[in-house]
Amino acid sequence: AQRVTQPEKLLSVFKGAPVELKCNYSYSGSPELFWYVQYSRQRLQLLLRHISRESIKGFTADLNKGETSFHLKKPFAQEEDSAMYYCALLGGGADGLTFGKGTHLIIQP
Amino acid sequence: NAGVMQNPRHLVRRRGQEARLRCSPMKGHSHVYWYRQLPEEGLKFMVYLQKENIIDESGMPKERFSAEFPKEGPSILRIQQVVRGDSAAYFCASSPGTGRIGELFFGEGSRLTVL
Repeated sequence: AQRVTQPEKLLSVFKGAPVELKCNYSYSGSPELFWYVQYSRQRLQLLLRHISRESIKGFTADLNKGETSFHLKKPFAQEEDSAMYYCALLGGGADGLTFGKGTHLIIQP
Repeated sequence: NAGVMQNPRHLVRRRGQEARLRCSPMKGHSHVYWYRQLPEEGLKFMVYLQKENIIDESGMPKERFSAEFPKEGPSILRIQQVVRGDSAAYFCASSPGTGRIGELFFGEGSRLTVL
């Protein structure tokens, strides 16, 4: 069975500090991993996907198959980064994304 | 494009009543997904539908829950004889079915409270 684990329910960092939101997954095949974000009073939306190897709003995430991780990183946090972040896995087939429980990121001024 | 529209946004039901949640996908999207979010939990996949077809319902409880996506009109998630444990936020998402795999567009959710 596929599973996504986000060990931190809440992460609070100061503005300008580096941010790392952890995500570990369990899946026997070759997964596709995603980060979704929900800003206050907004809908859940896609932030980035590992297959694109892109940087969005300064965030990057590298898939580490050896450690089965897909941590989200940003070198210098900004106040507007405060949001709920969800890691998600697509395991292939017709089923939907499997989401982690989410991490609430708070950037303090 | 108004995005994925869900209604009602809030629904209160007494135990034993029926709850119907509606979802209109984004224009041009033919794939609909329903997720449930219980308090303090993440989003749990329930069902994936295309027009007139249920593709994957592996996340749906075996009893009382059903979903449909008719040829015309919104997708409907129906919960019969609701119990307190059904209280949750129910999110609908849609995708075009082509292009960027895994990119889902979410609605604002419908919050069900069972008294």
